Amino acid sequence: AQSVTQLDSQVPVFEEAPVELRCNYSSSVSVYLFWYVQYPNQGLQLLLKYLSGSTLVESINGFEAEFNKSQTSFHLRKPSVHISDTAEYFCAVSRGGATNKLIFGTGTLLAVQP
Amino acid sequence: GAVVSQHPSRVICKSGTSVKIECRSLDFQATTMFWYRQFPKQSLMLMATSNEGSKATYEQGVEKDKFLINHASLTLSTLTVTSAHPEDSSFYICSATVDRPNYGYTFGSGTRLTVV
Repeated sequence: AQSVTQLDSQVPVFEEAPVELRCNYSSSVSVYLFWYVQYPNQGLQLLLKYLSGSTLVESINGFEAEFNKSQTSFHLRKPSVHISDTAEYFCAVSRGGATNKLIFGTGTLLAVQP
Repeated sequence: GAVVSQHPSRVICKSGTSVKIECRSLDFQATTMFWYRQFPKQSLMLMATSNEGSKATYEQGVEKDKFLINHASLTLSTLTVTSAHPEDSSFYICSATVDRPNYGYTFGSGTRLTVV
């Protein structure tokens, strides 16, 4: 079975500072990895995902994540955050395939302060 | 593309009544949909996997008779909370897998259920 660990429940950071949200996963098989963002009282929006190929994946709004198989990690980074990045971020893992479920970590609240 | 529509977005019901939540894939066929429940300030907990034309697969600890799931077509899955009680109040979110052109999961906007 797969599992996801997000060690930080909340990460406070000042605007324009860099940030890293940590994600580690556990699986005995190859997995696909995802980062989702959730704004208050809304559904989830895909930020980025790793399926195969380049281990560094990027989103359109400046976030990036690197798949590290040896460390079983998929940390999310952004070099300079904005107030509007304040949200809950969820790391998730799947075995792939149409019928395989997506398992979520406990989430990290990114709180950007002016 | 790959849009999932979920209705209603908010519902308030009386204790003891039943509530139906709909999840539709608008521009693709979803053979599998997933239902999640999210408590305030917590993560998404998978409740069940809904398969078109067959019975849903429920996660351990989820009451099948309380949370009825029907996936009658390739574009529609419904979750019915039967005999709702205040402890069923939560945020419910559906999701569907997308195979083409890129594999992923797309989510509905969620339903805030409040049982009074």
